[in-house]
This record gives sequence, structure tokens and C-alpha cells, in this order.
Amino acid sequence: ETGVTQTPRHLVMGMTNKKSLKCEQHLGHNAMYWYKQSAKKPLELMFVYNFKEQTENNSVPSRFSPECPNSSHLFLHLHTLQPEDSALYLCASSQGDRGLNTIYFGEGSWLTVV
Amino acid sequence: KQEVTQIPAALSVPEGENLVLNCSFTDSAIYNLQWFRQDPGKGLTSLLLIQSSQREQTSGRLNASLDKSSGRSTLYIAASQPGDSATYLCAFSNDYKLSFGAGTTVTVRA
Repeated sequence: ETGVTQTPRHLVMGMTNKKSLKCEQHLGHNAMYWYKQSAKKPLELMFVYNFKEQTENNSVPSRFSPECPNSSHLFLHLHTLQPEDSALYLCASSQGDRGLNTIYFGEGSWLTVV
Repeated sequence: KQEVTQIPAALSVPEGENLVLNCSFTDSAIYNLQWFRQDPGKGLTSLLLIQSSQREQTSGRLNASLDKSSGRSTLYIAASQPGDSATYLCAFSNDYKLSFGAGTTVTVRA
């Protein structure tokens, strides 16, 4: 248990569906992240939020829409995805300024787009 | 852009052997580096964090070193056990961005 909880753990969706991934951290951290992990590829940073404000959008397609209502919760809204978007989506959090401290990851949400 | 390379991609050793995992990076302007462990189908667990001003960190059987001048970090795992079988990833932090390597998948044979 890392203090970062992701739901659902597994999701199968059609290309025309709308779904959301949820992340909650119980660590009191100020920064939260979404990462994508595809087979045989390094983790790719998608979004960064610091004190609820988006500080990084790593050229992510608009079919992925993040939402951070407060410092403890982070959502990733999914709409009209493509099969190549199938991957493990990891949420993470950290405390402190400019990435100086340990980053804690959730267990991930496995997404399959059919 | 930070490029992070981990070699080898996979490693298989008998139980009891020491493990040496290598990580190299291209941009020396880093804040810290972290080593993570990932079990199949799971998230990442942080193992060690080395600040840019430090040369190494130790935790139990794990020791990680950092040489910014050569752009390298090494993770040593002493007296490996089957439970050490996992994928190990290194990541370098610059601002809020962590740049990850592709990982080294380790198998420790009993």
C-alpha cells in the first residue's frame, strides 16, 4: 500500500465510449501526475498538477482530459480513444518543490480499447 | 531532452549472486535520480533516491551510486534472492519531470 489508490484497476472500453480513471492520494502531497506505460516502452509523462494547477501537458492528445479538483484527487477522462491507447495508466504523487522528493505510484489502471 | 538508457534489458542470475544494474543519462542538469522496482502487472515502488549533491545511497542489500560527470548510475543488489525478481527502472528528475529508462528485467533462479 503506497498511499496512492487508483480505480478501476481494469477497464475495457469501446472507441466511442466515455470513461474516467480516478486517483486518490492519502499522503498530503502537493503534486500529482499521470503516466502512461505501454509494452516495451519507457514510462511517458502525460500531465502534472501542482496545488491543483496543471503545470505540464506533455503533448497529450485531447481525447485524454485531466481534472484535479483538489490536491488529493486526480481524474483522467477518456473519450473516443484508439486501440493504441491501450496501456497501463499510472498515477503518482510527490511532496516538495521541483521534483526533489520521492515519487509514489499507484498500482495502475489497465486500459484496453476495443 | 533527457535520454535514459538501461543496459542490459534482461538479466538472469543464480540465487546468491550480486546484481549490478546500469543506467546512463545524457543531461547532467538533474535534481535527483530514483530507482524503482516494478512487479508484473503492478505499479512502481521506490527503492532509493539520490539527490544530485550525493554520490550514493544504501538501504539494506541495495546500494545506488551516482556519477554526474560520466552520466551514470549503478544499482547494486547484494546476495540476490528469488524475491528480487522484478523489473528495475531508473529515473532522473528535472523540475517535475521524471525521465524513465525502459528498465532491466531481473530473474533470480533458485
